[in-house]
Amino acid sequence: DGGITQSPKYLFRKEGQNVTLSCEQNLNHDAMYWYRQDPGQGLRLIYYSQIVNDFQKGDIAEGYSVSREKKESFPLTVTSAQKNPTAFYLCASRLTISGSPLHFGNGTRLTVT
Amino acid sequence: AQSVTQPDIHITVSEGASLELRCNYSYGATPYLFWYVQSPGQGLQLLLKYFSGDTLVQGIKGFEAEFKRSQSSFNLRKPSVHWSDAAEYFCAVGFQGAQKLVFGQGTRLTINP
Repeated sequence: DGGITQSPKYLFRKEGQNVTLSCEQNLNHDAMYWYRQDPGQGLRLIYYSQIVNDFQKGDIAEGYSVSREKKESFPLTVTSAQKNPTAFYLCASRLTISGSPLHFGNGTRLTVT
Repeated sequence: AQSVTQPDIHITVSEGASLELRCNYSYGATPYLFWYVQSPGQGLQLLLKYFSGDTLVQGIKGFEAEFKRSQSSFNLRKPSVHWSDAAEYFCAVGFQGAQKLVFGQGTRLTINP
């Protein structure tokens, strides 16, 4: 079955370390997105990419970086510059057709201590 | 700026009772509208979507939603809730040519036995 795979499900890091979250999709979607979710704050867009080798900042890009070397993959790096990295991170993808819905992975919970 | 409002942060209903979750958006053009559901620790699952045509749309799990242009609303309804419907519900809006969806803050639904 097609879908979006985020790994790992849980991730623990020490403060000051960079960490990379994986997102892979086999839906043949062109566009991919990273969201951060904190309790009571809904979804906030970090980065998104419409095509390979191109990506745009979302609303809260500071302290994060991404790459899009392959259509299927859109890894997110949480750098040490991100002041409050502990959160639930969601990856999503969609077709670049107006009205296409987002399809979400099951998320990665990152805890930084 | 485009915005989506879900006025109710938390709703509690009894099992078997009817449910209506509210969603309002602000924008002049005809939107694309979505409702998603999220169980704890999981990703978001698409319940239903509206693009055009019939303003009453049917979704999965017995949910439906009605688009009312005059009220800029897209409320989600279910005639009789089940304990398994306890989750968080997100309304999202997209527009022609837009690369991103705008999400509401979410409504947490609790079901009383």
